[in-house]
Amino acid sequence: SQTIHQWPATLVQPVGSPLSLECTVEGTSNPNLYWYRQAAGRGLQLLFYSVGIGQISSEVPQNLSASRPQDRQFILSSKKLLLSDSGFYLCAWGFGYLEQYFGPGTRLTVT
Amino acid sequence: TQLLEQSPQFLSIQEGENLTVYCNSSSVFSSLQWYRQEPGEGPVLLVTVVTGGEVKKLKRLTFQFGDARKDSSLHITAAQPGDTGLYLCAGAGGSSNTGKLIFGQGTTLQVKP
Repeated sequence: SQTIHQWPATLVQPVGSPLSLECTVEGTSNPNLYWYRQAAGRGLQLLFYSVGIGQISSEVPQNLSASRPQDRQFILSSKKLLLSDSGFYLCAWGFGYLEQYFGPGTRLTVT
Repeated sequence: TQLLEQSPQFLSIQEGENLTVYCNSSSVFSSLQWYRQEPGEGPVLLVTVVTGGEVKKLKRLTFQFGDARKDSSLHITAAQPGDTGLYLCAGAGGSSNTGKLIFGQGTTLQVKP
């Protein structure tokens, strides 16, 4: 069966510090991978998606970047965090236009 | 730009009541999913509908995809406290290869015992 992992689960970082969030998927090959951000109690905003190694598409211009160094690894990064980067970050995998499967999420607080 | 409007945004009901959540758009979607999310966790897929007019039932939950594939509804019969959570609809549009989903803003459901 497929599983998706995210870490860390919780992160508190000062403004201006770097960020690296990691997502890995097990039990499948060449999935589409996605990074979302969610405000409290609200819908999900798609940040980045990837259909293959090294292929990244950005949906929203911002202070973040993404990379896919391996087939089942997706990394979300920032060189300098802003207060507005605080939120709940979710990684997901899927195929085609059907369902996506989400990781447990990372709660990021920028202070 | 494709948008999905969910209504209501908040719903507080007593155990045993019925409820319906709506998800509407002016755009056509290839498929539509419903997710349920609990605080501090990732969304969990409930159902996917792909055919206009399709109705799927999952125990006390009934999902319907509009004939024109622009809207969907989720009906819960005899709600229980365990149904409490954030319900999200998501539509797939654009290229079938990318699988990009457009999410509604969510409906927060509270079922009181």
